[in-house]
Amino acid sequence: DTGVSQNPRHKITKRGQNVTFRCDPISEHNRLYWYRQTLGQGPEFLTYFQNEAQLEKSRLLSDRFSAERPKGSFSTLEIQRTEQGDSAMYLCASSPQGGLNYGYTFGSGTRLTVV
Amino acid sequence: DAKTTQPTSMDCAEGRAANLPCNHSTISGNEYVYWYRQIHSQGPQYIIHGLKNNETNEMASLIITEDRKSSTLILPHATLRDTAVYYCIVFSGNTGKLIFGQGTTLQVKP
Repeated sequence: DTGVSQNPRHKITKRGQNVTFRCDPISEHNRLYWYRQTLGQGPEFLTYFQNEAQLEKSRLLSDRFSAERPKGSFSTLEIQRTEQGDSAMYLCASSPQGGLNYGYTFGSGTRLTVV
Repeated sequence: DAKTTQPTSMDCAEGRAANLPCNHSTISGNEYVYWYRQIHSQGPQYIIHGLKNNETNEMASLIITEDRKSSTLILPHATLRDTAVYYCIVFSGNTGKLIFGQGTTLQVKP
């Protein structure tokens, strides 16, 4: 297993377009997390899944954002009608349930630029 | 989960020990102290965690005070590749998610 994989690494899109990012977690990890990070700030929590169930969504996750994890394996994060304020690094992480004794493993992120 | 306070930035000479402090005065009994670091343009990387005993692994040592209100991450022989943002996080697992603050930017200088 090569860790958490995120695709694409970079995405440039025009304002108003829809974008979708993919995250492939470590295979035996049943929890998957999405974070957003803007320049100079720490990562901000967006949402997390346990298997295919989305257990929590942050207030940051407006109705233009939707995340899925249909079979409890990979996950997608879609942003509809992108705005310039959506420009950020989108990070995915996975962990065994709770992650208490193992920590989270993060991917390298998808950097989104909205022009 | 309790909040943490870290210095915004620190410098360290290459080859010397880097000691990164963290205050978590409102930590409760079931909360662990976690440390992550983020090297430019990469995702955060887990370093170490502890509850109340000092911990050591191949990357670092974690010293937690007896009252658990503060801790120090020690990189024993800092290298240029240790230049990164270091995050101290208090986490119990109950909330289901890690909450990151601003972290400490450590600059290791030759």
